[in-house]
Amino acid sequence: EPEVTQTPSHQVTQMGQEVILRCVPISNHLYFYWYRQILGQKVEFLVSFYNNEISEKSEIFDDQFSVERPDGSNFTLKIRSTKLEDSAMYFCASSDLGQGTDTQYFGPGTRLTVL
Amino acid sequence: DQQVKQNSPSLSVQEGRISILNCDYTNSMFDYFLWYKKYPAEGPTFLISISSIKDKNEDGRFTVFLNKSAKHLSLHIVPSQPGDSAVYFCAASQNSGGSNYKLTFGKGTLLTVNP
Repeated sequence: EPEVTQTPSHQVTQMGQEVILRCVPISNHLYFYWYRQILGQKVEFLVSFYNNEISEKSEIFDDQFSVERPDGSNFTLKIRSTKLEDSAMYFCASSDLGQGTDTQYFGPGTRLTVL
Repeated sequence: DQQVKQNSPSLSVQEGRISILNCDYTNSMFDYFLWYKKYPAEGPTFLISISSIKDKNEDGRFTVFLNKSAKHLSLHIVPSQPGDSAVYFCAASQNSGGSNYKLTFGKGTLLTVNP
């Protein structure tokens, strides 16, 4: 069964450093998303991406964040200068938006720890 | 901003009995609803969904009911099994007219099925 994969599973970084979180969406999907879950809180939408551009972004997704689809398979989230409050689980999701409804399939997540 | 609410943080049921998980929403523009199951250290796994044009959708042991007038949906699991023990998230999306449907999640309900 096709699945979304994410690397690394755990990333530890120092405050102010840049991190890149990587995702390989399901191969025939065209719509990609990043969400995050801070410990003890709900899963929050960060950004959606289609046709090589951002479709929608949340207030969380400020200038420190960027997304890219560098090739035909990977989808990345970059945080330029990490802050302590960026520590969270980051989930990538993808969908094919068939029939006008959107079932998003999630990867296992990357746990980001900012020290 | 709690557009999707899961008011029960936890639920405990006996194996073989019915589990009923509830979800309320406030945004009347939501038109697609999903339930995800999440184990610790894993990503949300899609379980079942329902469009706002329906009031019931069934898939094996899982049934989702939607009451649009009450802005309420529920997930029924019958019979419950110990392997169903996980956090269950209710999520909703809205056709914003764009090409992506961001998901708004509830805080989740921890279901424990006792043998």
